Amino acid sequence: DAGVIQSPRHEVTEMGQEVTLRCKPISGHDYLFWYRQTMMRGLELLIYFNNNVPIDDSGMPEDRFSAKMPNASFSTLKIQPSEPRDSAVYFCASSSSDRNTEAFFGQGTRLTVV
Amino acid sequence: QKEVEQNSGPLSVPEGAIASLNCTYSDRGSQSFFWYRQYSGKSPELIMFIYSNGDKEDGRFTAQLNKASQYVSLLIRDSQPSDSATYLCAVNWGTNAGKSTFGDGTTLTVKP
Repeated sequence: DAGVIQSPRHEVTEMGQEVTLRCKPISGHDYLFWYRQTMMRGLELLIYFNNNVPIDDSGMPEDRFSAKMPNASFSTLKIQPSEPRDSAVYFCASSSSDRNTEAFFGQGTRLTVV
Repeated sequence: QKEVEQNSGPLSVPEGAIASLNCTYSDRGSQSFFWYRQYSGKSPELIMFIYSNGDKEDGRFTAQLNKASQYVSLLIRDSQPSDSATYLCAVNWGTNAGKSTFGDGTTLTVKP
């Protein structure tokens, strides 16, 4: 398996624009997590899904952020409108309930909002 | 106070020495504890997990857990330059590694 795949790897956008980050989890994994990493706040869990259903979105910073998982092989994290303080590395991770002691992270999307 | 606290470092040790990384957590109900390694510009990768009090060894790595003291540590024996990275401590209520609260990490440098 190719692992968790995220796209794009880098994104530079202007303030106010919509940004969509994409994630393909490892095939067969039933949990998907979105994290954000910044120097100031570290690695924060934003939202996670189980079997494509959002379970906990308490980490989503505000209504400008939304996430979807239309099927088992694809998820998006959308920011609309984007702001400079959203600049961070966004990671997607997946795990299997059969072996939930390990979560596999994608390579991340480095987002810069100018 | 953050839920998971780590010494920010940087921690520097000579090659071959033992590196000791520490983590404390505030939630007494926490059940599982994970150590991740993150190289600069890369994603976190799981090194070890531990659920029970005591020590757990895996090669050069030993995780230690003391729930009474709300303390978990990672020892790296025979440190190598390739161990130079940021080590993240993660804590959660259940056992699913993804549903974790992370510390800010400790940056380790192993000098040849």
